[in-house]
Amino acid sequence: GAVVSQHPSRVICKSGTSVKIECRSLDFQATTMFWYRQFPKQSLMLMATSNEGSKATYEQGVEKDKFLINHASLTLSTLTVTSAHPEDSSFYICSARRGQGDEKLFFGSGTQLSVL
Amino acid sequence: QKEVEQNSGPLSVPEGAIASLNCTYSDRGSQSFFWYRQYSGKSPELIMFIYSNGDKEDGRFTAQLNKASQYVSLLIRDSQPSDSATYLCAVSLSGSARQLTFGSGTQLTVLP
Repeated sequence: GAVVSQHPSRVICKSGTSVKIECRSLDFQATTMFWYRQFPKQSLMLMATSNEGSKATYEQGVEKDKFLINHASLTLSTLTVTSAHPEDSSFYICSARRGQGDEKLFFGSGTQLSVL
Repeated sequence: QKEVEQNSGPLSVPEGAIASLNCTYSDRGSQSFFWYRQYSGKSPELIMFIYSNGDKEDGRFTAQLNKASQYVSLLIRDSQPSDSATYLCAVSLSGSARQLTFGSGTQLTVLP
């Protein structure tokens, strides 16, 4: 399968700070990447769709000013959690498709964010 | 009604048995169906995908799709303790800009 790299795998930060998470497609170009959030024992919830060279599309209820997404190249998308608070503590996972005709999603390894 | 529904379990089967995981979906226009395995604290890993009615086999895994009944299942033959994980059903809904909608997952435990 395709390789999607996500970094960091775990981050602990103080309330009020910002955290940046990187997602890279290592062996393919991804014009679209997806960012998910997962709380313990719950399913994946799509937060936003990241489009290379244009603004991200956010799902209803997701604050675009709090979760900043930048998809500056065909292999890199970043999610910045701004002014993080304890309720933002979650498992954040990025994903991508290999190509336009491929429906399969490949996931990064995820980032466990803990806000103190 | 949830768009993609799964029995949350936990489902326990003895080692060597067949584990059967079920998923129903509400959008009759859904096109593509996926099964992901997620170990605790890890991200999902794609294990099967199916697009057409019928069965699709890959090693110990068989995906079954019945679009008329809006039902997709995953069978795991000769279950191993290493198969213990949460299994997520995902569906590409019609008109969804190719986004996947995930079920809540079924937790499977294979007992040695």
